[in-house]
Amino acid sequence: GAVVSQHPSRVICKSGTSVKIECRSLDFQATTMFWYRQFPKKSLMLMATSNEGSKATYEQGVEKDKFLINHASLTLSTLTVTSAHPEDSSFYICSARGRAGNSYEQYFGPGTRLTVT
Amino acid sequence: EDQVTQSPEALRLQEGESSSLNCSYTVSGLRGLFWYRQDPGKGPEFLFTLYSAGEEKEKERLKATLTKKESFLHITAPKPEDSATYLCAVMTNQFYFGTGTSLTVIP
Repeated sequence: GAVVSQHPSRVICKSGTSVKIECRSLDFQATTMFWYRQFPKKSLMLMATSNEGSKATYEQGVEKDKFLINHASLTLSTLTVTSAHPEDSSFYICSARGRAGNSYEQYFGPGTRLTVT
Repeated sequence: EDQVTQSPEALRLQEGESSSLNCSYTVSGLRGLFWYRQDPGKGPEFLFTLYSAGEEKEKERLKATLTKKESFLHITAPKPEDSATYLCAVMTNQFYFGTGTSLTVIP
């Protein structure tokens, strides 16, 4: 199956600093990547959708200036949490959809646990 | 309004006790229904895609079925290692996740 990696898997940062999370599709070209946030014992909440080479589309209520998304290539998307605050602490998961297998299937990364102190 | 509902929220089974998880949906223009397994602290792991009513797919102890209104994930003779949260999602022009069923299989 298609493999998606995320880095780092865990990060602890101080309030006010910025954190970058990388999402890579390892064995296929991802035309579309998605960023989700998941709270404990809750389902995934879509934050934004990004297509390679174009600006991300953010879901209602997600601050685009706070959660910067870049999808510079067909295998890499990054999410930067700017000026992080404790309420940004969460589990962030990316997924990718592309040319491997069926084009509607999304393959998820292992997630990144962000803790802001 | 498009909606995806999973039931039950939580399910405890004895090892070997077969059961089914439900995913009900009300969406227009279904392009596909997906089942994922998620272990604590990890990303969802893809299990199945179903595209049309009547379709069935199997993998080991899991079998997914689809009707025009719902999908079932049947678990036959579950083992403790099947314990996880099972998520369904539907694809229209967007991707909608259900809230998941937390399955615990007791040895």
